Amino acid sequence: GQNIDQPTEMTATEGAIVQINCTYQTSGFNGLFWYQQHAGEAPTFLSYNVLDGLEEKGRFSSFLSRSKGYSYLLLKELQMKDSASYLCAVRDSNYQLIWGAGTKLIIKP
Amino acid sequence: ETGVTQTPRHLVMGMTNKKSLKCEQHLGHNAMYWYKQSAKKPLELMFVYNFKEQTENNSVPSRFSPECPNSSHLFLHLHTLQPEDSALYLCASSQDVGTGGSEQYFGPGTRLTVT
Repeated sequence: GQNIDQPTEMTATEGAIVQINCTYQTSGFNGLFWYQQHAGEAPTFLSYNVLDGLEEKGRFSSFLSRSKGYSYLLLKELQMKDSASYLCAVRDSNYQLIWGAGTKLIIKP
Repeated sequence: ETGVTQTPRHLVMGMTNKKSLKCEQHLGHNAMYWYKQSAKKPLELMFVYNFKEQTENNSVPSRFSPECPNSSHLFLHLHTLQPEDSALYLCASSQDVGTGGSEQYFGPGTRLTVT
């Protein structure tokens, strides 16, 4: 079967750095996405990785290792507004997105 | 605002009711999706439409019936639902189904409660 694993919940301090991991086992691979979802709101796109390595976008970076079936989302200089759920999704060989259950990130002052 | 709107935002319905959810995208995209989001569970893909044609139906019960009259509008018709169908129903769109980093843009969702 297809599976995406990510931690259920993480806590970090304002101004710090946090890394949210995602491991996957899917039928084929056509890219990995990270989305942010604030409570009661729609998921919004953060990043896309299809090749191995690090993609940096401001305070957010995303890393991919296809051989290990592993990705992480790195958030720097955490702000209170970063409190949200972070969803990892992999596009499989049928171009369907397989989603993880999301990681709820709690930022403390 | 993501360019994808959904109505209604909240819906309470009895198990014998018939209702419809509406989604509209203003992004000029060709693909539209219905997802179900339950607490602490991954997003479940229900239906995919590409250029108005249904391309995926992930074993969704027949009490959910999609309709896509054009590439900007998507409906989800509901009838004789069960309490376990209570969830957040999200609509999304993308430029197409699988090219490059064709990310999906989500609407705010309809919070459905079946009593």
